[in-house]
Amino acid sequence: GDSVTQMEGPVTLSEEAFLTINCTYTATGYPSLFWYVQYPGEGLQLLLKATKADDKGSNKGFEATYRKETTSFHLEKGSVQVSDSAVYFCALSVGGNEKLTFGTGTRLTIIP
Amino acid sequence: NAGVTQTPKFQVLKTGQSMTLQCAQDMNHEYMSWYRQDPGMGLRLIHYSVGAGITDQGEVPNGYNVSRSTTEDFPLRLLSAAPSQTSVYFCASSLTGTSTYEQYFGPGTRLTVT
Repeated sequence: GDSVTQMEGPVTLSEEAFLTINCTYTATGYPSLFWYVQYPGEGLQLLLKATKADDKGSNKGFEATYRKETTSFHLEKGSVQVSDSAVYFCALSVGGNEKLTFGTGTRLTIIP
Repeated sequence: NAGVTQTPKFQVLKTGQSMTLQCAQDMNHEYMSWYRQDPGMGLRLIHYSVGAGITDQGEVPNGYNVSRSTTEDFPLRLLSAAPSQTSVYFCASSLTGTSTYEQYFGPGTRLTVT
């Protein structure tokens, strides 16, 4: 079946540090890939997405590149801010199917 | 637009009690779904619907019922609550027909079963 493996957390960084959160996947078909973010006390929001190999999704300074050869979709940001503190979820869906398969989430805390 | 709304925000039940978690969206989305979020397990799909009158099971459907009589509403029923159903429940909606549409999530319902 389909699955998503995410970097174990929690992750704590200082403000302006470089961020990488690793995500790899296994899919029975050709997936679309997503990063969702959950701020404290809120529901999930789409952060970025990529629908085919070598696509780069980007939003709010975050980026992730769809790497089919390594089945990865790692999230990066060059300089994190305190406001980026949240839980980040990698997810996939396959072939016109709206069902999302999520990773376990990575809690990120940024300290001033 | 209010987006996706969920009620209640918090609920405490005793084992064996029943209740309905409400979910509504005002975006005319065809696809709606329910997830539960547990520590260390991410979100897992309970039930989903691709339109009014059509529902199907997700990954963890046991102990839950759903119905979809209107496009806007997708309630989740717990028939006989168990401590294993203590979780945070999220409803989501999206346009349908392709997996690339964004899913919009409600703020969640935190349920405790004692």
